[in-house]
Amino acid sequence: GAGVSQSPSNKVTEKGKDVELRCDPISGHTALYWYRQSLGQGLEFLIYFQGNSAPDKSGLPSDRFSAERTGGSVSTLTIQRTQQEDSAVYLCASSLRGWGYTFGSGTRLTVV
Amino acid sequence: RKEVEQDPGPFNVPEGATVAFNCTYSNSASQSFFWYRQDCRKEPKLLMSVYSSGNEDGRFTAQLNRASQYISLLIRDSKLSDSATYLCVVSPASGAGSYQLTFGKGTKLSVIP
Repeated sequence: GAGVSQSPSNKVTEKGKDVELRCDPISGHTALYWYRQSLGQGLEFLIYFQGNSAPDKSGLPSDRFSAERTGGSVSTLTIQRTQQEDSAVYLCASSLRGWGYTFGSGTRLTVV
Repeated sequence: RKEVEQDPGPFNVPEGATVAFNCTYSNSASQSFFWYRQDCRKEPKLLMSVYSSGNEDGRFTAQLNRASQYISLLIRDSKLSDSATYLCVVSPASGAGSYQLTFGKGTKLSVIP
C-alpha cells in the first residue's frame, strides 16, 4: 500500500479483555517495528521483525504481550488481560533495509 | 543516564526567529542519527537524517558531534507551521541491519504570530 496502515485507529476495552492490533506495512518493506507512546512520554520500542522472524523481543513489557508477522507482511500485536497501564498509542513502522522508517497513524488504546 | 536526552521545552518563539534544539546520547556505538517531527496526536515523521559533516535542508540545519555525543537542530526563519514536537533519534547500527530506533522524549516548539 501507499503507507503503513493500522487498525483499529481507536480501541476502548475493559480491563481484563484481550485486544489485537493490526499493522499492514508498506509493500516490500522487510522490516517492521512496534512502538508505544504513553501520554507525555517518548516512544518505547516493543518488538522488531525482519521478515517473519523477531530477532529482538526485548521491549515487550510482559508476557501478556505477543506479536506475530505472517507472509512477511501484516503483523498483529496481541495484549492479553489488558490493564489500565496498557493504555497508550501503539505505533507500527516499516522500513526497507533499515532506512526511511515510515510510521502508521497508530492505534489509540484505552483500557477502562 | 537516559539513552537520548532532550530539553522538553516548550520553546515559545516568534515567527521569523531562529531556534536551536540540542540532544545528547549515551551509546557511543550509535551510528545513525535522525530528527523526527511529531505533530499533536499524529505519528512521528522523518524530518532529516544527521550526518557527521552536518547537513542542511532549507531552513533546517543538523549537526553531529560524535566526540561529545551531541546532536543539534537549527531552524531559521521559524514559521507557524513549524510548531510541533521534535524528536531526536539514534540507532546503534548504520545502513542495512539497523533496526531499533531509540527516541528522545522530544522538544516542544510553539511558534507564535
